[in-house]
Amino acid sequence: NAGVTQTPKFQVLKTGQSMTLQCAQDMNHNSMYWYRQDPGMGLRLIYYSASEGTTDKGEVPNGYNVSRLNKREFSLRLESAAPSQTSVYFCASRGTSGGARSTDTQYFGPGTRLTVL
Amino acid sequence: QKEVEQNSGPLSVPEGAIASLNCTYSDRGSQSFFWYRQYSGKSPELIMFIYSNGDKEDGRFTAQLNKASQYVSLLIRDSQPSDSATYLCAVTGNKLTFGGGTRVLVKP
Repeated sequence: NAGVTQTPKFQVLKTGQSMTLQCAQDMNHNSMYWYRQDPGMGLRLIYYSASEGTTDKGEVPNGYNVSRLNKREFSLRLESAAPSQTSVYFCASRGTSGGARSTDTQYFGPGTRLTVL
Repeated sequence: QKEVEQNSGPLSVPEGAIASLNCTYSDRGSQSFFWYRQYSGKSPELIMFIYSNGDKEDGRFTAQLNKASQYVSLLIRDSQPSDSATYLCAVTGNKLTFGGGTRVLVKP
């Protein structure tokens, strides 16, 4: 199992450009999440999807849109990037990881480091 | 008041000593408690979880939960330089809520 994968790993955008961050999980989890992490701010929830076909706003949704394409994939779109969106973005899915020591919690992808100039 | 609070640190610990990390939470209905470790530039990784009051040990890690006082702690015994990381406390009530993390530095 690859777990949670994210693409791209790094991205540099100019102000006003758009892009989509991709996330996929192969653990058959129902719930998926997008976070951003800034120095000193911890993890902040942007959007989440409790199940295929549903999405809900988190703590900091402004400037972002999401699509739950199917059970495996959950994408995050920046329509018009701003320097304030420079951050590290993590996708997570919730369920068990399937390992001997796993439990029902969130498992994270490797992250996308985004810089907006 | 934040829902899940941690001291941001850094917590400086000599190699071989015990690192003690604390986390307090505000939702008395919280049921599940997790500790994640995050190395610099990497994603959070689950290292411990605890559901019941008391202690839970896993190798060099011990999680302690006191629901009456609404705190959960993590002890790292025989701390190693490889334990230098940020440790995130997470608590489940209606949703999973993360604390801001405690940065731990283990000095040789």
